[in-house]
Amino acid sequence: AQSVTQPDIHITVSEGASLELRCNYSYGATPYLFWYVQSPGQGLQLLLKYFSGDTLVQGIKGFEAEFKRSQSSFNLRKPSVHWSDAAEYFCAVGPNDYKLSFGAGTTVTVRA
Amino acid sequence: DAEITQSPRHKITETGRQVTLACHQTWNHNNMFWYRQDLGHGLRLIHYSYGVQDTNKGEVSDGYSVSRSNTEDLPLTLESAASSQTSVYFCARGTLENTGELFFGEGSRLTVL
Repeated sequence: AQSVTQPDIHITVSEGASLELRCNYSYGATPYLFWYVQSPGQGLQLLLKYFSGDTLVQGIKGFEAEFKRSQSSFNLRKPSVHWSDAAEYFCAVGPNDYKLSFGAGTTVTVRA
Repeated sequence: DAEITQSPRHKITETGRQVTLACHQTWNHNNMFWYRQDLGHGLRLIHYSYGVQDTNKGEVSDGYSVSRSNTEDLPLTLESAASSQTSVYFCARGTLENTGELFFGEGSRLTVL
């Protein structure tokens, strides 16, 4: 069975500081991995995805993530956070049939 | 023109009533999904469909049903609403590139009193 763990429920970061969100997954084969962002009252927007190739993937809004098979991790990073990055972030894993399993989410608060 | 339209966006109902949440997509994608979002649980798969007349149960399907009579629509029905079904419901479709990710609607918030 596939599953995702996001160890941090809530992270507070200062504007301009770096951000790293952790994601650990359990999956039997090579996974398809995703990070989504959700602003209050909105749907989920895809930030980036990994399914093969270069293990460091670039996404929208200046985010990147690194796939580490040995650690079963897919951590999300951003070098310099903007106030507009305050949102909830979800990591997801699945095969290529769209049946994704999501983590519980990490809420990011950005302080001025 | 929104690619996925969910309606209603907000609904309050009473325990025991039947409720249907609509999901309409404009991309004619075969793959459509319903998830519910609850604090501390992230999103959990309720039902999904890979094409017309195809429906499948997800991990939290009890008390829910779907039907797929055309490509564009996947309505979600709560046969007899329960307070435990108070949640935010998201409809999603697959992508044309077939790279495994989902594209989500804006959600329907359901409150069962």
